[in-house]
Amino acid sequence: GQNIDQPTEMTATEGAIVQINCTYQTSGFNGLFWYQQHAGEAPTFLSYNVLDGLEEKGRFSSFLSRSKGYSYLLLKELQMKDSASYLCAVRAFLSGGYNKLIFGAGTRLAVHP
Amino acid sequence: NAGVTQTPKFQVLKTGQSMTLQCAQDMNHEYMSWYRQDPGMGLRLIHYSVGAGITDQGEVPNGYNVSRSTTEDFPLRLLSAAPSQTSVYFCATERRRASGRVSTNEQFFGPGTRLTVL
Repeated sequence: GQNIDQPTEMTATEGAIVQINCTYQTSGFNGLFWYQQHAGEAPTFLSYNVLDGLEEKGRFSSFLSRSKGYSYLLLKELQMKDSASYLCAVRAFLSGGYNKLIFGAGTRLAVHP
Repeated sequence: NAGVTQTPKFQVLKTGQSMTLQCAQDMNHEYMSWYRQDPGMGLRLIHYSVGAGITDQGEVPNGYNVSRSTTEDFPLRLLSAAPSQTSVYFCATERRRASGRVSTNEQFFGPGTRLTVL
């Protein structure tokens, strides 16, 4: 089966650092994505990991360990506008050579002053 | 360059009615897909298409049909609406680009259609 777990809610303080974890179980793993979704809006792409290690992009970093089925998204210097849901998604091979994205339920992050 | 557009933004249907949710893209992306998003659940794939003339089922295809006659358009049809289909529907497209040895398959989402079935 395929399963993705991430915390439902998190809170943090403006200016701080927060780490959002994601664990997954899937066959045919072909990459892990993080998306940001503000309330009432569409998801927007944040990061992509297919190899083990850390990918850094400005205030956002994403880490992957394929052997542990584990990823995290690290947000530094939190701003109020970072209050949103963060979606972990795993890409898996389908039969026929195509891929599909499997999404976790998302983590709602609330940033407080 | 409009990206991914969806119409309508909001829709209320009565049980048993049929309708089509429109999705259009101007980025010449081959891969398009439809998701539904429900509270407490992740985005779930309904149908997808890897190119014009090719469609396939995702995780939750029952009650929905799709077609892909052009690269640009990927409409989603509700055959006979049910209250269980009340949801937010997102269309997404995908491009493929290479960065060194790693290919990034980034999906672009439309703004969504909020559907209520009474």
